[in-house]
Amino acid sequence: GDSVTQMEGPVTLSEEAFLTINCTYTATGYPSLFWYVQYPGEGLQLLLKATKADDKGSNKGFEATYRKETTSFHLEKGSVQVSDSAVYFCALRGSYQLTFGKGTKLSVIP
Amino acid sequence: NAGVMQNPRHLVRRRGQEARLRCSPMKGHSHVYWYRQLPEEGLKFMVYLQKENIIDESGMPKERFSAEFPKEGPSILRIQQVVRGDSAAYFCASSPEGGLNEKLFFGSGTQLSVL
Repeated sequence: GDSVTQMEGPVTLSEEAFLTINCTYTATGYPSLFWYVQYPGEGLQLLLKATKADDKGSNKGFEATYRKETTSFHLEKGSVQVSDSAVYFCALRGSYQLTFGKGTKLSVIP
Repeated sequence: NAGVMQNPRHLVRRRGQEARLRCSPMKGHSHVYWYRQLPEEGLKFMVYLQKENIIDESGMPKERFSAEFPKEGPSILRIQQVVRGDSAAYFCASSPEGGLNEKLFFGSGTQLSVL
């Protein structure tokens, strides 16, 4: 079945540091790929998505590129802010179900 | 346009009691999905419903769990005779259609604690 593996957290960075959160997936067919963010006490919000190979999703300074050859969708941001502190989930969607990774908690300190 | 509304935000039940979780989708959305998030885990799909129909309940435990989405009113996730292992955050999401690239809008979740 479909599965998503993302790097374990927690990740602690200083403000303005570079962020990478790795995500790889296993799926049949050609799934759409997503990054969701969950701020404390809130539901998940879609951060960005990519629907086909080589697509790059981007939003709020975050980027991720759909790499079919490596089955990866790593999340990057060049300069993190304290307000980026949250849990980040990588997910895929091959049908109407979303399959999530376990989440990576990011803490950004001033 | 209000987002997906879930209530209650927090629900405490003793073992053996029933838990009812409600989800009002966004206006105009007729597709509802329920997910469960166990501690230190990602969200796991439970059930997908359209108005008055269960489309896929492959993620639902076989016993004690049921879901409905009536023609009028919110979607309800019902857990009978709760056990401690049911303690989790339950999230509802909605979309206007059920297509692959339809964006899902998530509610803030219901945190169920079973004592």
